[in-house]
Amino acid sequence: AQSVAQPEDQVNVAEGNPLTVKCTYSVSGNPYLFWYVQYPNRGLQFLLKYITGDNLVKGSYGFEAEFNKSQTSFHLKKPSALVSDSALYFCAVRSNNAGNMLTFGGGTRLMVKP
Amino acid sequence: DAGITQSPRHKVTETGTPVTLRCHQTENHRYMYWYRQDPGHGLRLIHYSYGVKDTDKGEVSDGYSVSRSKTEDFLLTLESATSSQTSVYFCAIRPGQANTEAFFGQGTRLTVV
Repeated sequence: AQSVAQPEDQVNVAEGNPLTVKCTYSVSGNPYLFWYVQYPNRGLQFLLKYITGDNLVKGSYGFEAEFNKSQTSFHLKKPSALVSDSALYFCAVRSNNAGNMLTFGGGTRLMVKP
Repeated sequence: DAGITQSPRHKVTETGTPVTLRCHQTENHRYMYWYRQDPGHGLRLIHYSYGVKDTDKGEVSDGYSVSRSKTEDFLLTLESATSSQTSVYFCAIRPGQANTEAFFGQGTRLTVV
C-alpha cells in the first residue's frame, strides 16, 4: 500500500524568511509526487509535480520542491514567504505501476506572520 | 476550476436517508475520484473510476457506492447516511496519461444530523 506522511501539522514562518513543508512517501515502483494548496472554503489547487528528471522541481507562485529518492522525501520550499502563502498544503503520491490511486498526506497548515 | 462542477455545494440530511452527490466534468478526462476531507485525516479516497462503468474502491469505501454511466458524470451515493459521514466531499478528475495531475472541484459540505 502506498502512503504519504506530513510530519508537521503546522509550520510557522515570518514573512520574508524561507519556508519548508516536509513530505515523505512510501510506494511500490517509481513515484509520481504532487503538491497541492488549499485556501479556506476552496478546492485543492495544483502547485507542482515530480515525474522524472531533475530532482528540483519548480512550480506556481515561486514554490519549488526537492525529490530525494534515498530519503523518500519530497519537501516543498520557497525562498521568501509571503503572508498570502498562508494556507493548507497537501503532498500526494501515485505509483507509476499502479496507475490510478492518488494518495494524500494529512496536510500541513502554513502560517506566515508579518 | 478546470471544468468540474459538484452539486449540491451544501446539504443537510437526516440519519438513515439516502444521499447522492454529483460530479460533472466538461474536460472528457478518463479518471474521476471521490475524496472526503476531515480534520486530522487529510483527504481520503472513497472510490474512483477509470472509465465508463469502471470503478474501484478506495481506502474508505464502506457505506458508499458510485456509478459512472457517462464519461462526464460520477455519482457518489450514501445509501443510508450516518453522522460519521458528515464531511466535505471533493471530486477530482485526471486525464488518461500517466504523468498528469488531478484537478479538484469546489467541494460539497454534507452534514448528517
